Amino acid sequence: GAVVSQHPSWVICKSGTSVKIECRSLDFQATTMFWYRQFPKQSLMLMATSNEGSKATYEQGVEKDKFLINHASLTLSTLTVTSAHPEDSSFYICSSIRSGRGVSGTQTQYFGPGTRLLVL
Amino acid sequence: QKEVEQNSGPLSVPEGAIASLNCTYSDRGSQSFFWYRQYSGKSPELIMSIYSNGDKEDGRFTAQLNKASQYVSLLIRDSQPSDSATYLCAVNSGGSNYKLTFGKGTLLTVNP
Repeated sequence: GAVVSQHPSWVICKSGTSVKIECRSLDFQATTMFWYRQFPKQSLMLMATSNEGSKATYEQGVEKDKFLINHASLTLSTLTVTSAHPEDSSFYICSSIRSGRGVSGTQTQYFGPGTRLLVL
Repeated sequence: QKEVEQNSGPLSVPEGAIASLNCTYSDRGSQSFFWYRQYSGKSPELIMSIYSNGDKEDGRFTAQLNKASQYVSLLIRDSQPSDSATYLCAVNSGGSNYKLTFGKGTLLTVNP
C-alpha cells in the first residue's frame, strides 16, 4: 500500500502556543489530502480537505483561522493549530489519495500514523 | 446528511471463529466502500475496498456489498487474537472530492 508519514508523532505544548504538523506522501503525488481529528473512543472527524495549490476546504464547525492548512507541494500538507488550548488536545490524522488514477470515486485514502497533541 | 451506521459492539468471538461486521449507509448514490482496521492508539489501516455488488475476498477477509439494500459487510474467517481492533466502515459518494463518511466503528475482540 501507499505510505504516508506524519511528523511529529506526538507533541506536548503550553496553552497559547502554535503547533505545526506535517503530512507527507512518500511514494506518490497527492493533490488531495485530508485532515481528521479523533477524540478518545470516538470515530474520525473530518476537519478539512487540503488541495495542492489552492485553499483548503473546511468542514462545518471547524475554524479555518485556528487550524491553518497549507498544501504547497504534491507531497506535503501542513496543519498548524494556532493558539492551542487544552480542548484542542486530540489525535490528528492525515490521509492522502493517489492522484491521476482510475475513475472518480474509486480512489483510496491512505492514512498517516497520526500525531497526538497534548495541550497543557 | 449522509450517514454510515455500524453496531458499536463490542463483538466477541472465539479464536478460529468467523467474525461478521455489518454496515449500512444512507446515500444511495455511494460508489466506493472501505473497511479500515484501527488498533487502539493507532491510525486506521486499509483492509478492504469494494465497488460493485457481490463478494470480494482477500485472504481471511471477505467484503460483501449489496447496493439495493445499502449494506456492506466484512467477514473475517479463522479469527485471531491479533484481529482484535475497531473496524471502521467508510463510504465515498463519488464526485471529485473523494471525501469519506465513516461509521463509528465496531470493536471486535477475539478471545484465545
